[in-house]
Amino acid sequence: NAGVMQNPRHLVRRRGQEARLRCSPMKGHSHVYWYRQLPEEGLKFMVYLQKENIIDESGMPKERFSAEFPKEGPSILRIQQVVRGDSAAYFCASSQTTSGGASSYNEQFFGPGTRLTVL
Amino acid sequence: DAKTTQPNSMESNEEEPVHLPCNHSTISGTDYIHWYRQLPSQGPEYVIHGLTSNVNNRMASLAIAEDRKSSTLILHRATLRDAAVYYCILRVISNSGYALNFGKGTSLLVTP
Repeated sequence: NAGVMQNPRHLVRRRGQEARLRCSPMKGHSHVYWYRQLPEEGLKFMVYLQKENIIDESGMPKERFSAEFPKEGPSILRIQQVVRGDSAAYFCASSQTTSGGASSYNEQFFGPGTRLTVL
Repeated sequence: DAKTTQPNSMESNEEEPVHLPCNHSTISGTDYIHWYRQLPSQGPEYVIHGLTSNVNNRMASLAIAEDRKSSTLILHRATLRDAAVYYCILRVISNSGYALNFGKGTSLLVTP
């Protein structure tokens, strides 16, 4: 069973260009999360999506960033007009829906990350 | 989410037990205690979680204080592969999914 896949693993962009990061969740997982990790810091939550729906985008910057998880295909994190401050590692995680009450645990499985460098 | 406090770094010798502490004095009754770890240049991976009782799995044990204001992740025999940043996270659990808020964690160094 393949894990969470992210591509590209490394992405270099010049200021003002667009960056597209892709995430394929684990088979059977319907929840996708995006996190950003700046150098020497912990991961910061950005957005949580289910198929065709954004559930929680409280961590997303208000401008230039968008995310989608279409019915078919991978989840995409899109950064328009990148700036140097966008340089970071972007991690995607997925989890499955569980049945039962709040005691059910849906562990998040993380991908290897995409390391974005903005020149 | 309630705040957690962890030491910035710890060091251990290989083959010895490691106790990684986490303080969470403002934990609420519905907060679960989660531990994830991040090996160098990799994404985080789940280690263990618990609510009130101590928990054991193949990776580690989680000891939770009776008042739940602190907990300890126990690695019974540290190996070089356990060198990582360990994150203690408080979060309610929802079967529809939930975001994790990672702090700075504890960087564990394991020496041969």
